[in-house]
Amino acid sequence: GAVVSQHPSWVICKSGTSVKIECRSLDFQATTMFWYRQFPKQSLMLMATSNEGSKATYEQGVEKDKFLINHASLTLSTLTVTSAHPEDSSFYICSANPGRVNEKLFFGSGTQLSVL
Amino acid sequence: RKEVEQDPGPFNVPEGATVAFNCTYSNSASQSFFWYRQDCRKEPKLLMSVYSSGNEDGRFTAQLNRASQYISLLIRDSKLSDSATYLCVVTSYNFNKFYFGSGTKLNVKP
Repeated sequence: GAVVSQHPSWVICKSGTSVKIECRSLDFQATTMFWYRQFPKQSLMLMATSNEGSKATYEQGVEKDKFLINHASLTLSTLTVTSAHPEDSSFYICSANPGRVNEKLFFGSGTQLSVL
Repeated sequence: RKEVEQDPGPFNVPEGATVAFNCTYSNSASQSFFWYRQDCRKEPKLLMSVYSSGNEDGRFTAQLNRASQYISLLIRDSKLSDSATYLCVVTSYNFNKFYFGSGTKLNVKP
């Protein structure tokens, strides 16, 4: 089946630094990828929809200048958390689907970000 | 109003029990429906898609009721390994967004 690779799995960084997370679709092309954030004991919250070759679409309340998304190719989307602060500590997960109706989402394995 | 609403639980059941989860969605034009299972700090994994005609996979049965805008998941003969959080997922009408419910936590006890 389709595979989505996400890395790094764990990141610990100092407050004020930027962190980049990569999401790759390994055996299919994904014109659209999704970025989610999940705080402990809460559900996945859609942050933004990443569109290849165009600007990402951000959900209400998500700062686009804080969470930079780049989808430069059909197999790679990146999320950069800029000037990270402790409140940005969370589980970030990407997903993609081949774009066919009723096709499921394929998830990356997630990135646990801890900002000290 | 949230796109998808789910009872967060937890549901604490003994092994062998039958347990059912429901999930409601707000947009009648929603396109596709899924149940995912998520273990702690892991990515969600697809459990099954949900169709109007209902579908069954072993001990799991999923049902979609478009008129009432809810989907359900029934687990029969619960196993310890079924302990997880179950997420219902609904796609937008144009299939370009996936909305997750808050998840229902299931604890199966010996």
